[in-house]
Amino acid sequence: AQSVTQLGSHVSVSEGALVLLRCNYSSSVPPYLFWYVQYPNQGLQLLLKYTTGATLVKGINGFEAEFKKSETSFHLTKPSAHMSDAAEYFCAVGSGNTGKLIFGQGTTLQVKP
Amino acid sequence: EAQVTQNPRYLITVTGKKLTVTCSQNMNHEYMSWYRQDPGLGLRQIYYSMNVEVTDKGDVPEGYKVSRKEKRNFPLILESPSPNQTSLYFCASRRVGPSSYNEQFFGPGTRLTVL
Repeated sequence: AQSVTQLGSHVSVSEGALVLLRCNYSSSVPPYLFWYVQYPNQGLQLLLKYTTGATLVKGINGFEAEFKKSETSFHLTKPSAHMSDAAEYFCAVGSGNTGKLIFGQGTTLQVKP
Repeated sequence: EAQVTQNPRYLITVTGKKLTVTCSQNMNHEYMSWYRQDPGLGLRQIYYSMNVEVTDKGDVPEGYKVSRKEKRNFPLILESPSPNQTSLYFCASRRVGPSSYNEQFFGPGTRLTVL
């Protein structure tokens, strides 16, 4: 069965600093991996996804993630944090043939001025 | 504008009083799903539907019902709500295509409190 673990429920960075949000997955088959962002009082928005091919995936708003099979990781990064990046971030893995998503617990990103 | 809408956005109710949360999408998506979000647990799938009249249980279906009579609508029904169903609920939809993992589009959420 697939599962997702996000390391750190809260991450705080200064504006302009590197953002690193960690995600490890468990999957018995080649995984489809996703990062979603949830801004306050809003639904989830897709940041980026990995299905096949290039392991470095670029998403919206300057975010990117690298699929590392040997480490079963899919960490999310952004070189320079902006105040508008403050939100909750969810890592997810695709499960089964129905396209169901298994979500991690979420990481709240705080950006300090 | 392509979107998933949910109503109501906020609801406070009492134990045992039947309620329905509506979900509608205007993207002609075949797949629709309901999730609940609880602190520290992320999102967990309640029910999903691959197309009209085709529904199936997710990971936490107890206490919930759904129906899919029309492609655009996927209401979530709580026949007898209990306090442990207090949560933030999200509806999502996506196209069914060659890849089963097309992007899911989420509604804005419904915050439900059961007293």
